[in-house]
Amino acid sequence: AQSVTQLGSHVSVSEGALVLLRCNYSSSVPPYLFWYVQYPNQGLQLLLKYTTGATLVKGINGFEAEFKKSETSFHLTKPSAHMSDAAEYFCAVTRYSGGGADGLTFGKGTHLIIQP
Amino acid sequence: ETGVTQSPTHLIKTRGQQVTLRCSSQSGHNTVSWYQQALGQGPQFIFQYYREEENGRGNFPPRFSGLQFPNYSSELNVNALELDDSALYLCASSRPGQNYGYTFGSGTRLTVV
Repeated sequence: AQSVTQLGSHVSVSEGALVLLRCNYSSSVPPYLFWYVQYPNQGLQLLLKYTTGATLVKGINGFEAEFKKSETSFHLTKPSAHMSDAAEYFCAVTRYSGGGADGLTFGKGTHLIIQP
Repeated sequence: ETGVTQSPTHLIKTRGQQVTLRCSSQSGHNTVSWYQQALGQGPQFIFQYYREEENGRGNFPPRFSGLQFPNYSSELNVNALELDDSALYLCASSRPGQNYGYTFGSGTRLTVV
């Protein structure tokens, strides 16, 4: 079984400050890891994903995340927050060898608030 | 690419009724998944279809069923609706070689009263 824990249901940062959203996962097999963003009344948009290879993954809109196997973490960062980053962020995991048939297991989400 | 389109956007049903939600995927997207997102929660995997066959299922009862059609459209059917079925239902599709690069629709908001 796999699970995801997102630390902090709400995170507030000032515009221009560093954004750090935390994600820890549990998986008995090599994981694939994802970060999605959801704006109000919209579906999910993929920010970035880790499958294999380089552990530092760069995504869209200036976001990046680092897969740390020893810490079972996949934290999302952005050097400088913008007002348009205010949204709900979800971390997700799936099984490397599942072929997608296991679906994605999502965390409960972190609501990012940007203070002007 | 035209994206993933879901219909209707909002729906109100009465407890015990049946509902069908629809999803239209992009051409070539032969894998489609459905998720249930309760208010304030992350999405939960319902099931996945690959080439019109169900090939994966989450922890949902049999009254949640689906179909996938050759034209890349799909349906989610829920029988005997319960109040707890009230949620946002999301459809996600991908094409071969996308390596879990799912495209999500905007969802259908189902309210059961």
